[in-house]
Amino acid sequence: AQSVTQLDSQVPVFEEAPVELRCNYSSSVSVYLFWYVQYPNQGLQLLLKYLSGSTLVKGINGFEAEFNKSQTSFHLRKPSVHISDTAEYFCAVTLNSGGYQKVTFGIGTKLQVIP
Amino acid sequence: GAGVSQSPSNKVTEKGKDVELRCDPISGHTALYWYRQSLGQGLEFLIYFQGNSAPDKSGLPSDRFSAERTGGSVSTLTIQRTQQEDSAVYLCASSLGGGSLGETQYFGPGTRLLVL
Repeated sequence: AQSVTQLDSQVPVFEEAPVELRCNYSSSVSVYLFWYVQYPNQGLQLLLKYLSGSTLVKGINGFEAEFNKSQTSFHLRKPSVHISDTAEYFCAVTLNSGGYQKVTFGIGTKLQVIP
Repeated sequence: GAGVSQSPSNKVTEKGKDVELRCDPISGHTALYWYRQSLGQGLEFLIYFQGNSAPDKSGLPSDRFSAERTGGSVSTLTIQRTQQEDSAVYLCASSLGGGSLGETQYFGPGTRLLVL
């Protein structure tokens, strides 16, 4: 079984400050890791994903995440946030199950950027 | 190109009534997923379709929930005898399918269901 833990349900941060949204996962097999973002009243959209290769993954809107296998983490970071980054962020893990991808999402972290 | 669309965007119904939620995936996407997003609960997997068949229905919370997909395209999620605890946002997603690993899922805007 796989699970995802997002430790912070809400993260307030001032505009232009750095931010880190934490994600830890557990799985007995190799997984693929994703961050999705949900802007108010919209569906989720992919921010970035880690499949293999370099453990530092760069995504859209200046976000990046680092895969740390020993710590089973995939924390999301941005060096300077903007008001438009206010949204809910979901970490997800996926593994191949019976020929398709079974995706498990975390409960989400609401990022509130304060002007 | 067109993304995933869902209808209606909002639905208010009375307890005990049946509701149908519709999802139009991206053209050519063979995989389709339904999720439920409740306040403070994150995204809960409901059902997965590959083509018209549903190899994984493990997330459907009760036998009041059913889903079908026709023509490898449109999917309908039906909730019978709705209960107040069914109130949530129901999200649909599609992906290329074919079992390739690390596929991105493309989400619709969701249907917000309120059961009074």
